[in-house]
Formats: sequence, structure tokens, C-alpha cells
Amino acid sequence: DTGVSQNPRHKITKRGQNVTFRCDPISEHNRLYWYRQTLGQGPEFLTYFQNEAQLEKSRLLSDRFSAERPKGSFSTLEIQRTEQGDSAMYLCASSLKNSYNEQFFGPGTRLTVL
Amino acid sequence: AQTVTQSQPEMSVQEAETVTLSCTYDTSENNYYLFWYKQPPSRQMILVIRQEAYKQQNATENRFSVNFQKAAKSFSLKISDSQLGDTAMYFCAFMRGGFSGNTPLVFGKGTRLSVIA
Repeated sequence: DTGVSQNPRHKITKRGQNVTFRCDPISEHNRLYWYRQTLGQGPEFLTYFQNEAQLEKSRLLSDRFSAERPKGSFSTLEIQRTEQGDSAMYLCASSLKNSYNEQFFGPGTRLTVL
Repeated sequence: AQTVTQSQPEMSVQEAETVTLSCTYDTSENNYYLFWYKQPPSRQMILVIRQEAYKQQNATENRFSVNFQKAAKSFSLKISDSQLGDTAMYFCAFMRGGFSGNTPLVFGKGTRLSVIA
């Protein structure tokens, strides 16, 4: 499979628990992006990486959120002490740095916080 | 900061007809890129069409074309000969240009398009 993959596809958790999502980008892509999409809205940018370096974080990314891309390949997004307002679809995308063409999106991880 | 506005939350079109989805944006940048992405029900987002701001010619991809009006900051999508498979959410998106390379997208809220048989 040469596309962007995300795991798990669905996660149900109780408020206050920690959750971690994984994204595997297209292998040659050096940029990786995390977006959050709530029902009826467009995706909103959270953070992005070039290789292992985190280049930018949105103000949406509270202290409870942390993202890593340790070896410049896959990335993880962790949410600590989840809140009901964290319920959303978390999308990962990847691209080449020197390309103003498309970002390739994964299928997303749907988080439900009870 | 850039903003993208899609003023049509929902639209419908008869199969084989033509439909136009609207998008306006606000930016102080002169170098940027605009995109239309499609998100079918329960499926991942895919690129429909892309436009470079420095190009005056409107982009076309098969049945999909755009009307890019840079001065008006307008970027509409026209779908010709609509097909049932075009049923999806459509998002307009903005990417700033410059030397930073491929950067985060700013999306509109989307337009839900239903193609009716």
C-alpha cells in the first residue's frame, strides 16, 4: 500500500484517559501534517513536521496535545487527559517539501470521548 | 491570517447537469496556491484540482474546472456532466507560497454536494 495510513481508525475513550494515534506517510514524503476535523467543518491545522523537526504548531494545539516524528518516518499524536471537546476526526497528510502540489491524506482516526 | 469562505453549505444537482461551487478567500499574500478537495462519505480526502495564483489561465481537469478571479479573491469550482460518484463534501483550501515549500492548508467549511439520479 503506497498511501497514507492511520491507526487506529476508530477510538472510543473515557474522559480523562490518554490516547495515541499513529500516522504512516508515503515513504518518500518529508513533510507530515496533522489536522482535526469536527462534524460539519473543514479540517483545521494542528502541527506539521519536516523529517523529524516540528516546524509549526497551531494555537489549537493545547498543552495536552503532543506530536512526534522521531525518525522522520511515522508520526504519533498523543492527547492527554482527554475531554469531550476533543471528539473529532484526526487527519494526517504527507507531501514533499519542494512541491506545491497536493497533500495526500490518510483515512483519519475518529476519536469519541465519552 | 488567511481565511477561506464557502457560502453554500449544501447543494444538489441532477445527474449530467452542471453545478458551480463558490469559494472566496482573504489574504495579503501575492504568491499562493488554491485547491479543491473532495471528501466522499466515509472515505479519505482527495485532490480535485489545483490553481497557482500567478497563472491567469484557469485550471481544468476533465469535467472539473475553476473560475479564478484573483482581484475578487474568488475561486469557484464547476463540475460538468455531474455523476453520482461526485456526491461528496467539497472543500476549498489555500496554501501560502514562497520559499517555505509545501505548507499547511487553510480550509473552508465545505459544501455538501448531492448528485441526484
